[in-house]
Amino acid sequence: GQQLNQSPQSMFIQEGEDVSMNCTSSSIFNTWLWYKQDPGEGPVLLIALYKAGELTSNGRLTAQFGITRKDSFLNISASIPSDVGIYFCAGQVDRGSTLGRLYFGRGTQLTVWP
Amino acid sequence: DADVTQTPRNRITKTGKRIMLECSQTKGHDRMYWYRQDPGLGLRLIYYSFDVKDINKGEISDGYSVSRQAQAKFSLSLESAIPNQTALYFCATSDWGRYEQYFGPGTRLTVT
Repeated sequence: GQQLNQSPQSMFIQEGEDVSMNCTSSSIFNTWLWYKQDPGEGPVLLIALYKAGELTSNGRLTAQFGITRKDSFLNISASIPSDVGIYFCAGQVDRGSTLGRLYFGRGTQLTVWP
Repeated sequence: DADVTQTPRNRITKTGKRIMLECSQTKGHDRMYWYRQDPGLGLRLIYYSFDVKDINKGEISDGYSVSRQAQAKFSLSLESAIPNQTALYFCATSDWGRYEQYFGPGTRLTVT
């Protein structure tokens, strides 16, 4: 299957700091998605990206679809305590038998200190 | 009301028992998925279904089976549960032609 490398694995930051995380793949992806999972809940879709170079914002969150189509980035500005959770990247390879399937990174665990 | 619901939310069972996890959705989506989450391993696909007559194996289907009873219902069965199937299980849905998946709240399964 497709390999997605998500980094960092965990982050410990102070409230108010900015956060950056990224995801890389060995294959070209046609869609990149970013999810957040709160403790005890299912992942919730934050941002969807559909074109190489696309930059999309959702409040304090900004995500980019890399030009090479093999990476994506998520930035969180001015972090607050409720940003705590696990952030997952997911990608779609629009080819053959994998059509419709998403491949997930292993997640970035974010901790925000007050 | 939640668009994707899973029952039960928590379950403790013994090795060798048969168990079924259920998923229902009101989003009207054709596609449904079952994932397993283990700490540090992210989400791994068990089975997926693109419509009522379509069932496909994912990365880790061994030891699991599924049934798509209707467009809105997709259940996951463990025929003979074993301890290393202890995990969080998530159901997800997506619309035809779209890649965004929407997740249920999860079932925490413990096999002793």
